Amino acid sequence: AQKITQTQPGMFVQEKEAVTLDCTYDTSDQSYGLFWYKQPSSGEMIFLIYQGSYDEQNATEGRYSLNFQKARKSANLVISASQLGDSAMYFCAMREKSSGTYKYIFGTGTRLKVLA
Amino acid sequence: GAGVSQSPSNKVTEKGKDVELRCDPISGHTALYWYRQSLGQGLEFLIYFQGNSAPDKSGLPSDRFSAERTGGSVSTLTIQRTQQEDSAVYLCASSFRTGGTGELFFGEGSRLTVL
Repeated sequence: AQKITQTQPGMFVQEKEAVTLDCTYDTSDQSYGLFWYKQPSSGEMIFLIYQGSYDEQNATEGRYSLNFQKARKSANLVISASQLGDSAMYFCAMREKSSGTYKYIFGTGTRLKVLA
Repeated sequence: GAGVSQSPSNKVTEKGKDVELRCDPISGHTALYWYRQSLGQGLEFLIYFQGNSAPDKSGLPSDRFSAERTGGSVSTLTIQRTQQEDSAVYLCASSFRTGGTGELFFGEGSRLTVL
């Protein structure tokens, strides 16, 4: 079974609109972390936002917020007021402890295109 | 350096040759990861180093792949007898696991093309 599932291979959003990128995860751990990364066409991976499994409040970082629904095991990324520079691949990732080591598992990504 | 440094940024090699990819993590980061990203795909975990502990090699796809980390800092990923399916971007990331959110800091990757 996939540990991290991103069901939207591609998304379009109009500039200045909000967009939600979906992510569901699967773990039996009680303690884990959830991350979102942005990968522009240049290839670098840019950390956007983090949510700990024990955090009761949804994480926010500027225009990024993480809609964390623990019971549903979902960690959707919301980008408000989209900008042309937001066009990129977005990866959801989970950090869990497995056999004494911390593993970061990535989803297959969602390609976001912001339209002018 | 300020960030994770990887070299070479691009490598073109012939099938059957060996290649070495280097990663210099952020100073003080005890955890180091290697991932592989094939064209348009997600990140595939290869290997993880944490301090002086034995590495987690569970993601290495075959015995042609190996990695070492010297002195708890620089890491080298070696691919022996390269095959065309090894063509990908190899990403290195480091983390200061004991503090903060523990997010991974990535290098810019080494793009490997096997002809």
